[in-house]
Amino acid sequence: DIQMTQSPSSLSASVGDRVTITCRARQGIGKYLAWYQQKPGKVPKLLIFAASTLQSGVPSRFSGSGSETDFTLTISSLQPEDVATYYCQKYDSAPQGFTFGPGTKVDI
Amino acid sequence: QVQLVESGGGVVQPGRSLRLSCAASGFTFTTYGMDWVRQAPGKGLEWVAVISYDGNNKYYADSVKGRFTISRDNSKNTLYLHMNSLRAEDTAVYFCAKGLDTYGPGDYWGQGTLVTVSS
Repeated sequence: DIQMTQSPSSLSASVGDRVTITCRARQGIGKYLAWYQQKPGKVPKLLIFAASTLQSGVPSRFSGSGSETDFTLTISSLQPEDVATYYCQKYDSAPQGFTFGPGTKVDI
Repeated sequence: QVQLVESGGGVVQPGRSLRLSCAASGFTFTTYGMDWVRQAPGKGLEWVAVISYDGNNKYYADSVKGRFTISRDNSKNTLYLHMNSLRAEDTAVYFCAKGLDTYGPGDYWGQGTLVTVSS
């Protein structure tokens, strides 16, 4: 399986802050990258797919960018309800695995 | 609305087998790939396996390859995960997820079923 890395592993920010999370793939994956939000005790929720396409119903303060090996999830103005762990996932090649990153925990 | 309901979890001894099921409704099951994803207690998400819409293509994480089998019954709108030779490190909540497309990220997830491997 191709490994994914995320940084930072955790962060604490204030309401209204701009928050950026990075995800890196060991080899190029085009734009086959998704971002999920998982709140404590809840099921993961798809936020972004194809690196930058916002899933229906997701607030516009969330955005994604990047391609190949370097990707970014940005929350433009952090809200209290954004406290969660965020995961990236590659899905470029099923035989190589749809690996998740280790997660980034966001607190306020 | 899309619903995914997992079942079949429980406590099982190391080396034994277990079969998980995921009953799907609210969408055309035969059109989408389906995944199993697990989460060990207090840990991150781990992708386990994916199956194509028609069941002809199946892929697995290295950690379960040769021990787990993903399958589907499109006549019953049900996804399965057959788990053999279970180990303590397989202890986790197992989620099924509907793929966004033939393959792809999960846009709908079930609530999960807990599998505990312990003697």
